[in-house]
Amino acid sequence: EPEVTQTPSHQVTQMGQEVILRCVPISNHLYFYWYRQILGQKVEFLVSFYNNEISEKSEIFDDQFSVERPDGSNFTLKIRSTKLEDSAMYFCASRGGQGRHQPQHFGDGTRLSIL
Amino acid sequence: AQSVSQHNHHVILSEAASLELGCNYSYGGTVNLFWYVQYPGQHLQLLLKYFSGDPLVKGIKGFEAEFIKSKFSFNLRKPSVQWSDTAEYFCAVIRVNAGGTSYGKLTFGQGTILTVHP
Repeated sequence: EPEVTQTPSHQVTQMGQEVILRCVPISNHLYFYWYRQILGQKVEFLVSFYNNEISEKSEIFDDQFSVERPDGSNFTLKIRSTKLEDSAMYFCASRGGQGRHQPQHFGDGTRLSIL
Repeated sequence: AQSVSQHNHHVILSEAASLELGCNYSYGGTVNLFWYVQYPGQHLQLLLKYFSGDPLVKGIKGFEAEFIKSKFSFNLRKPSVQWSDTAEYFCAVIRVNAGGTSYGKLTFGQGTILTVHP
């Protein structure tokens, strides 16, 4: 079964540094998402992306965050200047475009630790 | 704003016990409902989904859930759990727009950790 893949599995970064989290969605999917889960808290929506633009974003997704689909296969989340509170598990998800009822499929996540 | 609440943070059962995990959501419109499971060290996997029709839905590994619209609930059940069901379970909701599609964000509950003792 096709999978969403995320790299790296664990990223350790100094506060203030830029970090890029990478995702390869399922190949024929059209809708892409980033979520995060701070330890002990709920999985929270960050952003959705369709047709090469952001379709929705949460209040968490401020100017420090950006997303990009640079080459038709990768889907990246960039945090420009990381803060301690950005430490979390980040999940990428994708959804097919065929049919109205399609679930989102998730990757394994990237654990981001900010020091 | 919509929200999802799961009643139990941690449930501990012995093998062969029956399971019911509660999930309630707050949103008055049409929704699609999901249960995802996360086994230790693995990604979120879809356990089952409700879009429309029969409110009793069956998923993988013997799980089922019942959508009760009047109670805004979507509880997960399994008649007899196994040690391999040890995992974290997440209820999630997505709004259905006027056109009947659901491309937007998932709203998750806080998760329920299930520990099954052999």
